[in-house]
Amino acid sequence: DTAVSQTPKYLVTQMGNDKSIKCEQNLGHDTMYWYKQDSKKFLKIMFSYNNKELIINETVPNRFSPKSPDKAHLNLHINSLELGDSAVYFCASSQAGGSSMPSGANVLTFGAGSRLTVL
Amino acid sequence: GQQLNQSPQSMFIQEGEDVSMNCTSSSIFNTWLWYKQDPGEGPVLLIALYKAGELTSNGRLTAQFGITRKDSFLNISASIPSDVGIYFCAGQTYYKLSFGAGTTVTVRA
Repeated sequence: DTAVSQTPKYLVTQMGNDKSIKCEQNLGHDTMYWYKQDSKKFLKIMFSYNNKELIINETVPNRFSPKSPDKAHLNLHINSLELGDSAVYFCASSQAGGSSMPSGANVLTFGAGSRLTVL
Repeated sequence: GQQLNQSPQSMFIQEGEDVSMNCTSSSIFNTWLWYKQDPGEGPVLLIALYKAGELTSNGRLTAQFGITRKDSFLNISASIPSDVGIYFCAGQTYYKLSFGAGTTVTVRA
């Protein structure tokens, strides 16, 4: 059973379209994340949810809207896609995430990624 | 935001060699993590470090959490072909995990 699963794995679409990427984790974790990996392989956090509540919202265009229907799911919806949105998007989860204490509970488990190509 | 400087950016290594890579930051972190990413996959955790000065091994991998809490290194001993990939350091505070730019490792057989 895949711990963090994302769909679709590949997504090719035209500029201006709206698309969604779904993520589900079966680890019983409380916190979920979306990261964006650009063409230079740099990983940058976009959003984080803890128990369905938004806790991190980095400087991301408001065309990106995360939605967490329950703590096992965090979906990413993107409106009016632009060329610069082309990237690999990774979902991740962790057992906790809000503690300042160093702990294994904060370790992230990543999905396999969703490669978005905007033409 | 927090910036991690990871070096080297890339390396070619001979099978059987030992290699090192490191990360430094101007910020203090509670936890240092090392991940490996294979092509077409997500990053997978290799080693987690929770205490300043901690030295931890996982098979042929050894990593240390710097005393100042602003740096970490990863050593791979006796490289094998499956060590190919991108290695990322990551520093964690509260909810946020910040990543270095990665070290791309290519092994010459």
